[in-house]
Amino acid sequence: ETGVTQTPRHLVMGMTNKKSLKCEQHLGHNAMYWYKQSAKKPLELMFVYNFKEQTENNSVPSRFSPECPNSSHLFLHLHTLQPEDSALYLCASSQEASPRETQYFGPGTRLLVL
Amino acid sequence: AQSVTQLGSHVSVSEGALVLLRCNYSSSVPPYLFWYVQYPNQGLQLLLKYTSAATLVKGINGFEAEFKKSETSFHLTKPSAHMSDAAEYFCAALSSGAGSYQLTFGKGTKLSVIP
Repeated sequence: ETGVTQTPRHLVMGMTNKKSLKCEQHLGHNAMYWYKQSAKKPLELMFVYNFKEQTENNSVPSRFSPECPNSSHLFLHLHTLQPEDSALYLCASSQEASPRETQYFGPGTRLLVL
Repeated sequence: AQSVTQLGSHVSVSEGALVLLRCNYSSSVPPYLFWYVQYPNQGLQLLLKYTSAATLVKGINGFEAEFKKSETSFHLTKPSAHMSDAAEYFCAALSSGAGSYQLTFGKGTKLSVIP
């Protein structure tokens, strides 16, 4: 399998549930990103990991908890979410977190919080 | 902070007509600029990027964009629209944060192609 994959593709959860989103990249990259895409709003960067270290947390609420166990995998742990957290969550990767590197995106996980 | 403005949330063109999608950025320092395309139920795919080399950048699928510093613009064009170009297009600018770089995206422009 090539590129950036995300699972699950769709997720419905209640506000009291705990779930995790998974992202895996098969490109040998060292930087990984989580973005949130809400309707009628620009994509919002949530987190950046470079060589497994978190280098950016864009004022994301603590109910979103990222984890990067190695350069190929990135998780987003979700707990006690709100309905307004419903969105498409996109994962991306790049060779490094630098301006010259292109970010490659996965297909996203569409999340609905009831 | 960098901001990116895409004029027109929805653009419709006839098949074979010129495609023009507008993007303006706010930085006084020319940033790195990108155009991404998103097809339904898919992630974003890079169309092209400007990295301070040539001001006219050619991308995939016949798209190109011209960086104009005086207008702080990076509009996306294609001479002749094809039905397969129907998708949502995002302009993005790279800015630096604390110890990393991040992409700031516009709200997107949905392109419809009329047969």
